[in-house]
Amino acid sequence: QVQLQESGPGLVKPSETLSLTCTVSGGSISSYFWTWIRQPPGKGLECIGHIHHSGTTNYNPSLKSRVTISVDTSKNQFSLHLSSVTAADTAVYYCARRAPILVGYYFDSWGQGALVTVSS
Amino acid sequence: DIQMTQSPSSVSASVGDRVTITCRASQAISNWLAWYQQKPGKAPKLLISAASSLQSEIPSRFSGSGSGTDFTLTIISLQPEDFATYYCQQANSFPPTFGQGTKVEIK
Repeated sequence: QVQLQESGPGLVKPSETLSLTCTVSGGSISSYFWTWIRQPPGKGLECIGHIHHSGTTNYNPSLKSRVTISVDTSKNQFSLHLSSVTAADTAVYYCARRAPILVGYYFDSWGQGALVTVSS
Repeated sequence: DIQMTQSPSSVSASVGDRVTITCRASQAISNWLAWYQQKPGKAPKLLISAASSLQSEIPSRFSGSGSGTDFTLTIISLQPEDFATYYCQQANSFPPTFGQGTKVEIK
């Protein structure tokens, strides 16, 4: 069974870049779509964007100007970079796998989540 | 983006009760709808895809229905482990969007 684990700094200063990595174990990162989703404390879920193992990306238009998602198939990892952060970017960041046997945007495997706080 | 609206925002119920949560999409999405369960401090868990298709290992007391813009999640005979927050999510178009959540609390 595939497992995902987020890693990265838990505290980022305003105007700096938030960087997180998701390590996939128990399966290959190839052939699937991989997604970043975030959840501000006490609030709902927001899809940030996704990447295919080939490198094809799609970003939420609301964040597109600040987001970069990349993949490293040799390490079975994909990463999120969110620039020019503000307090509004404080959230739990989840990496997730788009369900491979389902047509549509369904997420069947998730990491445990990483809380990132934006504060000076 | 497609907006997803859930109701109620919270519901108090007892073990053994039947609970119904509704979700409305701002435009028709056929049956491209998922339901997730989230417990405090945990990631969401996919319960139902395609509006009514139960994922493997999800108890049969969970069921989903609906098509177009209106959807329902029903939990019959609520169990202690079912107290959680439930989210609907449209799976039709990018970006996938979620409802604001419905918290099922113990009465």
